[in-house]
Amino acid sequence: IVLTQSPDTLSLSPGEKATLSCRASQPIGNNYLAWYQHKPGQGPRLLIYGASSRATGIPDRFSGSGSRADFTLSITRLEPEDFAVYYCQFYGGSPLWTFGQGTKVEIK
Amino acid sequence: EVQLVESGGGLVQPGGSLRLSCAASGFTFSQCCMTWVRQAPGKGLEWVASIKEDGREEHYVDSVKGRFSISRDNAKNSLDLQMNSLVAEDTAVYYCARGGYDPFWRTYRYDYFDHWGQGTLVTVSS
Repeated sequence: IVLTQSPDTLSLSPGEKATLSCRASQPIGNNYLAWYQHKPGQGPRLLIYGASSRATGIPDRFSGSGSRADFTLSITRLEPEDFAVYYCQFYGGSPLWTFGQGTKVEIK
Repeated sequence: EVQLVESGGGLVQPGGSLRLSCAASGFTFSQCCMTWVRQAPGKGLEWVASIKEDGREEHYVDSVKGRFSISRDNAKNSLDLQMNSLVAEDTAVYYCARGGYDPFWRTYRYDYFDHWGQGTLVTVSS
């Protein structure tokens, strides 16, 4: 299974809403889809697991949705600290764990 | 507080070997699947290898099979990655990550990673 994220880059201003897409090349079972935020010099940070469950400590401006082969990460009201690269990740295919290529959310 | 601290990265020549380590603290290490993920310069995240809680089952991405070996010492709360026959394409920051804890079911899961280290840089170059 290949995960394709779009767009590659999203240019937005603080306060705007970000909508990130992750499309699987075939339906994903059990919604084993997670989202991570990654900033330079840091380890990735888990945001969403099970397609829509928010990880511990993640602000409610982050939300995940979708099923089967189409998933979305939404960030309402972008804060300055939200500008980063975001990855979706799937479990259960070959290889067992697969990441999308990433979407960079940059300041416009 | 959960902490994962990687060490062992550095510069190595093509064909050489390197052993990475990850020191874990703040959780019951023996209950979690543990994983190595890497990020090559300018590229995205790539899963490398994982090992189950008891160390009896390992998985590798095809590109490292036969060259890398993941292991763990539950008594020492440590995770290792032995990397042999290194090639330039193995140049990356290597992250140690923990299988996610599901607070609803009170169990550790395999499908996502909820804590990551800061990473250690491996450079394969002559």
